[in-house]
Amino acid sequence: DIVMTQSPLSLPVSPGEPASISCRSSQSLLHSNGYNYLNWYLQKPGQSPQLLIYSGSNRASGVPDRFSGSGSGTDFTLKISRVEAEDVGVYYCMQSLLNYTFGQGTRLEMK
Amino acid sequence: EVQLVQSGAEVKKPGESLKISCKASGYSFTTSWIGWVRQMPGKGLEWVGIIYPADSDTRYSPSFEGQVTISVDKSISTAYLQWSALRASDTAMYYCARFRELDYWGQGTRVTVSS
Repeated sequence: DIVMTQSPLSLPVSPGEPASISCRSSQSLLHSNGYNYLNWYLQKPGQSPQLLIYSGSNRASGVPDRFSGSGSGTDFTLKISRVEAEDVGVYYCMQSLLNYTFGQGTRLEMK
Repeated sequence: EVQLVQSGAEVKKPGESLKISCKASGYSFTTSWIGWVRQMPGKGLEWVGIIYPADSDTRYSPSFEGQVTISVDKSISTAYLQWSALRASDTAMYYCARFRELDYWGQGTRVTVSS
């Protein structure tokens, strides 16, 4: 099984400040086709998860450009350039190279 | 517009059977994997399994293999998740999602198993 490890697990951020979440996998998520099989999701309070980033760095349709994903292989990062109140929730990374595994989640809250 | 609409909340007793549903619309149902994700109370997301509606090819997480059954009815673009004998530990929110990057999710079905 591929294990996904996120850090930090809790992230207090002031509005307008940047935020960064790390996700590490127990084995490389880089396929021979050149794609990283790593997505990011946000679950806002009381809502279903929503796709933010796919293939490591591609923003999903309708996702604000303050969200960006980077990384390759085993180390990935989700960055929010300027946090807004609506960004509060739990962020999950997920690998889809071998079955599907989610990270533990990172709870972003406003300071 | 792609939509996944799930069946309503369920309250069951241990040992009872249950089948919950997820009706898809707005895309070609048979040509995208669709599946289920579990979220236990206050916990994270866990992959349960997926099915390819065109041929009912099904894959299960090792953690759920033998515990649940995933099926589809292509004629009504609906996926199902069923249990033959529920346990208290099955209490959770269950989400269906289109497994094309899990780009669309249902609203969730809350399942409560209690004596």
